[in-house]
Amino acid sequence: DVKVTQSSRYLVKRTGEKVFLECVQDMDHENMFWYRQDPGLGLRLIYFSYDVKMKEKGDIPEGYSVSREKKERFSLILESASTNQTSMYLCASSGSGGDNEQFFGPGTRLTVL
Amino acid sequence: DQQVKQNSPSLSVQEGRISILNCDYTNSMFDYFLWYKKYPAEGPTFLISISSIKDKNEDGRFTVFLNKSAKHLSLHIVPSQPGDSAVYFCAASKETSGSRLTFGEGTQLTVNP
Repeated sequence: DVKVTQSSRYLVKRTGEKVFLECVQDMDHENMFWYRQDPGLGLRLIYFSYDVKMKEKGDIPEGYSVSREKKERFSLILESASTNQTSMYLCASSGSGGDNEQFFGPGTRLTVL
Repeated sequence: DQQVKQNSPSLSVQEGRISILNCDYTNSMFDYFLWYKKYPAEGPTFLISISSIKDKNEDGRFTVFLNKSAKHLSLHIVPSQPGDSAVYFCAASKETSGSRLTFGEGTQLTVNP
């Protein structure tokens, strides 16, 4: 059973703080993704990674960076949090088998004050 | 630009009746489509998928129909149950993008007892 875990379910930070969101998957998946979910906008891809130390920009990378030092771990970094980054953040992983199914973590609800 | 669109933000049906959720896409390169279900405070979970070489895929109470010429797909749930109440996301991918998915905005389904 695939498990994707995220370090925090709820997080409250102040404007300007550096924020780390951690994601770990236990299925040896090559691909990992970070999304944010906002009402009426669906899931928007921030960054993704096809391999260790690899990263690709998604649709809305501005204000974010990522790190993938180990295959099972993919971190999302908000260098200087802003109020418009208040959102639900979802991490996902998938294998390279071709069916494109992604497995999601439970999400982190981030509030930036 | 929104390449995958779910034009109905919400849908309400009676228990036992059919639920039909719709999704339109604009990119003709998309060749694989998925539906995800999301409960509050949980990550999305995979429901059903369809390849562009098919026009129908069925799994129990869930059937997905694909009309490639209209760039339209729909998810049918029969019979609908109160436990089906959730947000449903349509997603699409293309072979050349690996397992990267493009999501729609989501439709909130409410099944009334």
